[in-house]
Amino acid sequence: AQSVAQPEDQVNVAEGNPLTVKCTYSVSGNPYLFWYVQYPNRGLQFLLKYITGDNLVKGSYGFEAEFNKSQTSFHLKKPSALVSDSALYFCAVRDGAAGNKLTFGGGTRVLVKP
Amino acid sequence: SAVISQKPSRDICQRGTSLTIQCQVDSQVTMMFWYRQQPGQSLTLIATANQGSEATYESGFVIDKFPISRPNLTFSTLTVSNMSPEDSSIYLCSVSQGFSTDTQYFGPGTRLTVL
Repeated sequence: AQSVAQPEDQVNVAEGNPLTVKCTYSVSGNPYLFWYVQYPNRGLQFLLKYITGDNLVKGSYGFEAEFNKSQTSFHLKKPSALVSDSALYFCAVRDGAAGNKLTFGGGTRVLVKP
Repeated sequence: SAVISQKPSRDICQRGTSLTIQCQVDSQVTMMFWYRQQPGQSLTLIATANQGSEATYESGFVIDKFPISRPNLTFSTLTVSNMSPEDSSIYLCSVSQGFSTDTQYFGPGTRLTVL
C-alpha cells in the first residue's frame, strides 16, 4: 500500500524567508511524487513532480523539491516566500508498480506573514 | 495541460435530494477521476470514471450513493444521491492520460452544502 505523510498541519514563515513544507512517503515500487497547491475556494494546481533523474526538481512559481530516496522524503522548498504563497499544499504519491491511483497527504497550510 | 470545468461551482441542497455535477475537459483524456474533499481535510478518491463501462469505486463508496457516467473521453458526471449534511464537501474532477508517470490535473471543484 502507498501512503504519504505531511507532519506539519501549518507552517508559518515571514515574507522573504525560506519556506519548507515536509513530505515523506511509503511505496512498494518506484515512487512518483507530486506537489499541488490549493488557494482558497479553488481547485488544486500542479506545482511539480519527480519521476526519475535529478533529485532536485524545479516547478512553478519558484518552488522546488528534493527527492531523497534514503529518507523517503520529498520536501517542497522556496528560497524566498511571498505573502501570495499562503495556501494549502498537498504532497501526493503514485506507486509505479500499482497503477494510476494517486494518494494524498493530509495537507499543510502555509501562512506567510508580511 | 487540459482545461477542466465543473458545473455547478457551488450549490446548497436540501437533505434527501440529489445533485449531479458535470465535468467537461477541453481535450480527450484517458482517465477521469472523482474526489471528495471534506471541510479542512485532504482529498479522498471516490471512483475512477470508465468510458463505456461502470465506474471503479474505492472502498467506502458505492454506486447507489455516487452514480457516475462517462459517455465519452471529455465528459463525466457524478451524482450525489439522497444527500445528508455529511455529504457537504468539495467534489473535484481530475484527469490524466493514464500513464503512471502522468500528472493529474484538477477542475475547480464543486462546493456542496447540504442542509
